[in-house]
Amino acid sequence: NAGVMQNPRHLVRRRGQEARLRCSPMKGHSHVYWYRQLPEEGLKFMVYLQKENIIDESGMPKERFSAEFPKEGPSILRIQQVVRGDSAAYFCASSPPGQGAGYTFGSGTRLTVV
Amino acid sequence: GENVEQHPSTLSVQEGDSAVIKCTYSDSASNYFPWYKQELGKRPQLIIDIRSNVGEKKDQRIAVTLNKTAKHFSLHITETQPEDSAVYFCAASLGPGTYKYIFGTGTRLKVLA
Repeated sequence: NAGVMQNPRHLVRRRGQEARLRCSPMKGHSHVYWYRQLPEEGLKFMVYLQKENIIDESGMPKERFSAEFPKEGPSILRIQQVVRGDSAAYFCASSPPGQGAGYTFGSGTRLTVV
Repeated sequence: GENVEQHPSTLSVQEGDSAVIKCTYSDSASNYFPWYKQELGKRPQLIIDIRSNVGEKKDQRIAVTLNKTAKHFSLHITETQPEDSAVYFCAASLGPGTYKYIFGTGTRLKVLA
């Protein structure tokens, strides 16, 4: 089992560009969670998705951020018109149905906006 | 809003000594408390967790205690080793389920050889 796979590991974008972060859950897992970690801070919940459904997006900024988890393929966190404040590490985690507790994080995508 | 406070922010101990990290939470509905270890530039790794119906849990050199009445939970590492050096985060589940966590701000533990 390859674990939760995230790519790219590092992403550099200029202000105003779009950033797409991908997350492939562990085999057999159909629930995905995205967190953001600013430098020297803890992780902050962004969104919880199941296949083709957004279950809880209470941590997502109202504008420019969106997430999806299609029937086929990885989950995508999309940030439009990036700003310097979006620079952070974005971590994805996954779990099987009914087992939200104790999920495992992927290695993260470190987004730098220049 | 709900929050988790974590102390201390930095902790230095001599190899072989014990380390204790403390957290308090505010959401009375929290019922799951994981602890994560994060090495520099790496992903957070779950090291131990505890549910609200248990007061203490131990796994080799690591133990966690929970006081639901006081809304306190603590991580105890005994016989510390240099490889224990990392940032440790406590977390508490938020709301009625266990899928959403609120994290503390982290403790940077340094074990001195």
